[in-house]
Amino acid sequence: QQQVKQSPQSLIVQKGGISIINCAYENTAFDYFPWYQQFPGKGPALLIAIRPDVSEKKEGRFTISFNKSAKQFSLHIMDSQPGDSATYFCATSNTGNQFYFGTGTSLTVIP
Amino acid sequence: GAVVSQHPSWVICKSGTSVKIECRSLDFQATTMFWYRQFPKQSLMLMATSNEGSKATYEQGVEKDKFLINHASLTLSTLTVTSAHPEDSSFYICSAITMDYGYTFGSGTRLTVV
Repeated sequence: QQQVKQSPQSLIVQKGGISIINCAYENTAFDYFPWYQQFPGKGPALLIAIRPDVSEKKEGRFTISFNKSAKQFSLHIMDSQPGDSATYFCATSNTGNQFYFGTGTSLTVIP
Repeated sequence: GAVVSQHPSWVICKSGTSVKIECRSLDFQATTMFWYRQFPKQSLMLMATSNEGSKATYEQGVEKDKFLINHASLTLSTLTVTSAHPEDSSFYICSAITMDYGYTFGSGTRLTVV
């Protein structure tokens, strides 16, 4: 059973636009919600993460929006750049136990 | 920040030979390490969880005799692909849980079996 559902599978955005990737989960015990960025041939790297005690976290152009009641969280990339083209994975975890990953979103930012 | 060093980054081996992939936690002790396999344009597939000093726990469908995992110390875990075949060609990634319950990945190993 997929613990976290991610959409869309792929996304094409114009340079300067906003990229939005969504994830939904079922288990209310999850308390850590990170997003990872992966470039081809590289391991995933932590981009930004949030805990359920806040509804939003912003780091530079990257923002996580968290809706606890809806059990959803999303990644917003403002002013998207070609260098942001990568695969993005959301994940969930229960206090550092096994992480569950979404299926990934391939983002392409067109110049 | 916590760093997991994975080597080699790529390897080509002949069918029937064995390949060892190493993951080291450089600035923290990793009591638990995870090994993933990733096919092109797909998500990470958990293969096994290794705990220091004990046997690894394999996910359903993963052959434990083919993918040998050793976690002999708090900073080193190894994955050995035994008697490799072309269908074992894939991208293998390790990860560890850090002190702040984050999740750090190695840089991955691209295995090609010819």
